Amino acid sequence: DAGVIQSPRHEVTEMGQEVTLRCKPISGHDYLFWYRQTMMRGLELLIYFNNNVPIDDSGMPEDRFSAKMPNASFSTLKIQPSEPRDSAVYFCASRRTGGNTDTQYFGPGTRLTVL
Amino acid sequence: KQEVTQIPAALSVPEGENLVLNCSFTDSAIYNLQWFRQDPGKGLTSLLLIQSSQREQTSGRLNASLDKSSGRSTLYIAASQPGDSATYLCAVRGGYSTLTFGKGTMLLVSP
Repeated sequence: DAGVIQSPRHEVTEMGQEVTLRCKPISGHDYLFWYRQTMMRGLELLIYFNNNVPIDDSGMPEDRFSAKMPNASFSTLKIQPSEPRDSAVYFCASRRTGGNTDTQYFGPGTRLTVL
Repeated sequence: KQEVTQIPAALSVPEGENLVLNCSFTDSAIYNLQWFRQDPGKGLTSLLLIQSSQREQTSGRLNASLDKSSGRSTLYIAASQPGDSATYLCAVRGGYSTLTFGKGTMLLVSP
């Protein structure tokens, strides 16, 4: 399996622009998580989906952030308009219900810089 | 709200030393606890997962313990190697599917 795939790996944009981050979870996984990592706040959960349905978006910082999961193999995190304080590494992770492990598998992350 | 604290924030040791990383959490009503490793510029890799009913888990030179009642976990690394240099994160899972992470311990093992 290729693991969780994220694109782009790096994104540099100017304040006010729209940014779209993409994630392909591991095939067969029914949970998908979006996290943000900064030096100050560490790793924070933004939103998670179960069977393509958003379950908890309480971590989404504000209305500028939105996430979708149109099918089991694809999710997007969109920031519109972007601001410098959104600069961080954004991770996607997926997990499968059941089995003998509860582990989340993380993608390599997207490093976002908003100028 | 669950809070996870890791001490120390950074640790530097010579190769071959045994070391202990600490993790504490405020709400003992957890489902499980995991230790992850993060290399620079990379995602997280799960090292060990301890269910709430377990006391410890071992994988090679790594041993993780859990004392749920006191809200503590330790990750013991035996005979450390330069390849162990990374950031180690502790995460607890509550009643839902979400994880709460500590800020990590940055480990440097020098040859």
